[in-house]
Amino acid sequence: SYVLTQPPSVSVAPGQTARIFCGGNNIGGRSVNWYQQKPGQAPVLVVYDDSDRPSGIPERLSGSNSGDTATLTIRRVEAGDEADYYCQVWDSSTDHPGVFGGGTKLTVL
Amino acid sequence: ELQLLETGGGLIQPGGSLRLSCVASGFTVNSNYMTWVRQAPGKGLEWLSVIYAGGNTYYADSVKGRFTISRDNSKNTLFLQMNNLRVEDTAVYYCARGLSYSYAFGYWGQGTLVTVSS
Repeated sequence: SYVLTQPPSVSVAPGQTARIFCGGNNIGGRSVNWYQQKPGQAPVLVVYDDSDRPSGIPERLSGSNSGDTATLTIRRVEAGDEADYYCQVWDSSTDHPGVFGGGTKLTVL
Repeated sequence: ELQLLETGGGLIQPGGSLRLSCVASGFTVNSNYMTWVRQAPGKGLEWLSVIYAGGNTYYADSVKGRFTISRDNSKNTLFLQMNNLRVEDTAVYYCARGLSYSYAFGYWGQGTLVTVSS
């Protein structure tokens, strides 16, 4: 089955840019979605189809996808961005299509 | 406004059964694919199962043969029947609805906690 690999943690100072990577074999050929989850809350979709944002998600959050790596970029990081972030793809070619990465904890220093 | 509300969680002994419900409002459960995702304490998200609008269902290997996803259109409710529960099934269970135009889970319930313990 398809595997997505994320770093366990990323740290960044306020106002800087955070990049969270999601690795997968030729992931650039798939659509990648990103979720933000804060403690005690349900996940929230922040980027879908590699780079689109649902309404209400600030432009500071953006996504890209190429080769074997998808990236969630958060510019001008704020304290409120501290959360766990998960990448996800849908592998329609299998009978267990839902795949999540292991998650990355973003810490704002 | 589109909303999802899960119920049915609780404490259950290993080997027992539990049925989770996810009541939908603002849309009909058979209008798009719907899915179950869980999160064990301190762990990441794990996809469990999907039911497509056409009725096809699929499962993660970890629950295949033990869990069954279904829906009742008249009650506008999604279900997850969980049998032969194991300690490792302890988690918060979320239902989610896909976007109409993408395989992204755009709408989530608040989750319901299932604890499997003797």
